[in-house]
Amino acid sequence: EIVLTQSPTTIAASPGEKVTITCRASSSVSYMYWYQQKSGASPKLWIYDTSKLASGVPNRFSGSGSGTSYSLTINTMETEDAATYYCQQWSSTPKWTFGGGTKLELK
Amino acid sequence: QVTLKESGPGILQPSHTLSLTCSFSGFSLSTYGMGVSWIRQPSGKGLEWLASIWWNGNTYNNPSLKSRLTVSKDTSNNQAFLKVTSVDTADTATYYCAHTRSSTTRPSYYFDYWGQGVMVTVSS
Repeated sequence: EIVLTQSPTTIAASPGEKVTITCRASSSVSYMYWYQQKSGASPKLWIYDTSKLASGVPNRFSGSGSGTSYSLTINTMETEDAATYYCQQWSSTPKWTFGGGTKLELK
Repeated sequence: QVTLKESGPGILQPSHTLSLTCSFSGFSLSTYGMGVSWIRQPSGKGLEWLASIWWNGNTYNNPSLKSRLTVSKDTSNNQAFLKVTSVDTADTATYYCAHTRSSTTRPSYYFDYWGQGVMVTVSS
């Protein structure tokens, strides 16, 4: 099973600040996916195929990486970006796994 | 427009079987490439993939839950189902169903639309 480790677990950022969340895989994966989840709501697809923004996602977000190291970056933090972000990978066995999540708080 | 909605018993006793229904619109599970997956989330914790079913009837289960999971579909009524046998308190969680699709460039799959989730509590 491919284990995804996200860091940091929690981060606080001020409006306008740059934020980077990292996801490391225990083995190489083809693509990484990111989901945003706000309190009491369902997760939303945020970034797919490592670097493509899902519909409606502001372009201050970006995704990058390859192999075992991936990241989600917010160029300039805004209040609405406060949420928990999860990374996700697919492999042939046992299919899908998620990272433990990174809680992004407003400072 | 793709929408999904989960329904379930709310509360059930340990050792019983949990039955969940995912009712969806905006796609058909008989169309090539379409899939529905089940994912759960204990309160305050992370996401765990459980099972998936595809347009061709292929199913995949999370091996960590061994043979406790059964996923099925009713194509004519646009529904997918999940059964979890022998539940215990560790199965208490919000259960989501999600439309599952493939990347267009490499073998890789992800969840692009999610239901609102249904909370399930296992308690005696």
